[in-house]
Amino acid sequence: SAVISQKPSRDICQRGTSLTIQCQVDSQVTMMFWYRQQPGQSLTLIATANQGSEATYESGFVIDKFPISRPNLTFSTLTVSNMSPEDSSIYLCSVGGQGVGYTFGSGTRLTVV
Amino acid sequence: DQQVKQNSPSLSVQEGRISILNCDYTNSMFDYFLWYKKYPAEGPTFLISISSIKDKNEDGRFTVFLNKSAKHLSLHIVPSQPGDSAVYFCAASDINEGNTNAGKSTFGDGTTLTVKP
Repeated sequence: SAVISQKPSRDICQRGTSLTIQCQVDSQVTMMFWYRQQPGQSLTLIATANQGSEATYESGFVIDKFPISRPNLTFSTLTVSNMSPEDSSIYLCSVGGQGVGYTFGSGTRLTVV
Repeated sequence: DQQVKQNSPSLSVQEGRISILNCDYTNSMFDYFLWYKKYPAEGPTFLISISSIKDKNEDGRFTVFLNKSAKHLSLHIVPSQPGDSAVYFCAASDINEGNTNAGKSTFGDGTTLTVKP
């Protein structure tokens, strides 16, 4: 299975600032997925990132708040923009799916103060 | 409307005994179900899955049972080991969903399993 390197692993940010999270995969993949896990809650899909096209966002998530880049088949970034304390979560990238198990990155624990 | 529910937030069992984690779903279009295990400070790790055409899938100490009529699945771990202590997530997907969302999974809230030595 693929190996994903995600960074940063954690960060504490001031409200109103932005943070970019990076995921590097050790093999080429068509789709990458970005999830959020708020404290005590399940993983919620933010968007699906395809190389060469705009990301597809789930209900409740918008590109202005969570811009995503997918410049090639092994790399993607998620930016959390204009942060507020409500954005404090664990953010995870993943690959796979299509009826098989995802491989997840180790996650980015974000705290907004 | 939460489509995948894990009603037990926590479960504690003795080492060597059976652990049974439960999951219910509401969307009848789900046709593929997965269990993930998550340790602190790590991403979830895929554990085992089952297709809706089956009612049981076994992999070593882990067995997943699916009851489609009840929209219920369970994960059995036997014998349980202290290293199994983790958060377990149930997930469900509709593999026939449109190409844009192919492979999208809906997750439950997780059950924290503690296996006592």
